Amino acid sequence: KNEVEQSPQNLTAQEGEFITINCSYSVGISALHWLQQHPGGGIVSLFMLSSGKKKHGRLIATINIQEKHSSLHITASHPRDSAVYICAVTAGNQFYFGTGTSLTVIP
Amino acid sequence: NAGVTQTPKFRILKIGQSMTLQCAQDMNHNYMYWYRQDPGMGLKLIYYSVGAGITDKGEVPNGYNVSRSTTEDFPLRLELAAPSQTSVYFCASSYREYEQYFGPGTRLTVT
Repeated sequence: KNEVEQSPQNLTAQEGEFITINCSYSVGISALHWLQQHPGGGIVSLFMLSSGKKKHGRLIATINIQEKHSSLHITASHPRDSAVYICAVTAGNQFYFGTGTSLTVIP
Repeated sequence: NAGVTQTPKFRILKIGQSMTLQCAQDMNHNYMYWYRQDPGMGLKLIYYSVGAGITDKGEVPNGYNVSRSTTEDFPLRLELAAPSQTSVYFCASSYREYEQYFGPGTRLTVT
C-alpha cells in the first residue's frame, strides 16, 4: 500500500473548467508538497503546506490534517496547465510521493 | 543562479559498468536529495544529505552510494549497474525541510 494516494490518475478538462486533484496520505507528516512535472520532465514545486490553505495565482492548495487529505484546485484552467501533478509528504526524514495525476486541458 | 544542475542528461550503460551522476546547486542549500522515477511510478528517495559530510539512506538505497564533501555537490555513484536501475534520476535541494528545487534529471538506461 502506498503511503500517498492521488485521485484521479488521469483527468481531461475543457479550457476554463475548475479542476480538483485529491491526495490522501496514511502517515504522520510535517508537511505536504504539491509538485508539477512538465511534459519535458522538469519538476517544479508549487506549494508546501502544513495547515490551512495557500493560493498562488489560479492555483489553490488546501490541507485537512485530521482527515489526512489535501486538494489542489486550478481555477479557469488553461492548456498550459497540462502536466502531471504530484503530491508528496514529508514524514520525519523520509519523503513519500504519489504516482501523480496527469492533467490534459483541451482548448 | 543556475539552480540545480545535473550531468549527464542521458547515459546508456552496460550491465556491470559503473558511473557517477553529478549534481550541483548554487543556492547554498544545506539539504540535498537523490530520487529515481520509474515509468508510471512515483518518485522514490534514494539518499539524502542534511549538510556536508552527512548522508543518509532513503527508501531505495541498494546499489547506490553518495558522498557530500561540499555544500554544493552531491554525486550519486552506481556500482555494477543492473537493468533494474534503468530510470530517470532527479537531484533536488532545499533550505532545511522547505520547498525543494529539482534538477532537470538524468535518463539512464542499463542494457
